[in-house]
Amino acid sequence: NAGVTQTPKFQVLKTGQSMTLQCAQDMNHEYMSWYRQDPGMGLRLIHYSVGAGITDQGEVPNGYNVSRSTTEDFPLRLLSAAPSQTSVYFCASRRASRFNQPQHFGDGTRLSIL
Amino acid sequence: DQQVKQNSPSLSVQEGRISILNCDYTNSMFDYFLWYKKYPAEGPTFLISISSIKDKNEDGRFTVFLNKSAKHLSLHIVPSQPGDSAVYFCAASGDNQGGKLIFGQGTELSVKP
Repeated sequence: NAGVTQTPKFQVLKTGQSMTLQCAQDMNHEYMSWYRQDPGMGLRLIHYSVGAGITDQGEVPNGYNVSRSTTEDFPLRLLSAAPSQTSVYFCASRRASRFNQPQHFGDGTRLSIL
Repeated sequence: DQQVKQNSPSLSVQEGRISILNCDYTNSMFDYFLWYKKYPAEGPTFLISISSIKDKNEDGRFTVFLNKSAKHLSLHIVPSQPGDSAVYFCAASGDNQGGKLIFGQGTELSVKP
């Protein structure tokens, strides 16, 4: 069972470069989200989606774009990478937009911005 | 404004003893609470949850307690095993959060043989 798949696992970028972090789930989950994990900060929500065509901002959305053209995929785009975006990024999904369902996480993308 | 707080960055316990991880929250509208466990180089995995209509939920060695008046929850692991060594995150949500989960900073548990 694949669950939530994130690619790439590691990436090094230079300041100003752009890239897309990929996230795909095969559980037909409507709700998908992106988090970043930084030391001492826990997991902070970047963007989320309650279904195809619908996205919204989380706690720390600046510098990131998302789109949701299919149920399965929820890519996260960095248009102009900054050193402050060095972090570990996690994608998650859950069965419905109801809040009382646990989320399933991918294994993360470790991103370094030089 | 940290709505969910885990004030202990780390905890060390002896194998076989009880581990108690604590979490405090400020938003009284939260009504669903979860604990996640995270190993290095892996994503968080769901461990146990509790609804605000309960004050205790058990699953094997893991028990979560909720004290709504104190806005406090705790995770008890009995007995602790070396394989429990990981980072534990508490999280909270509610209708007024639009389905979003708010996480604490995490507590790194080390269980020594």
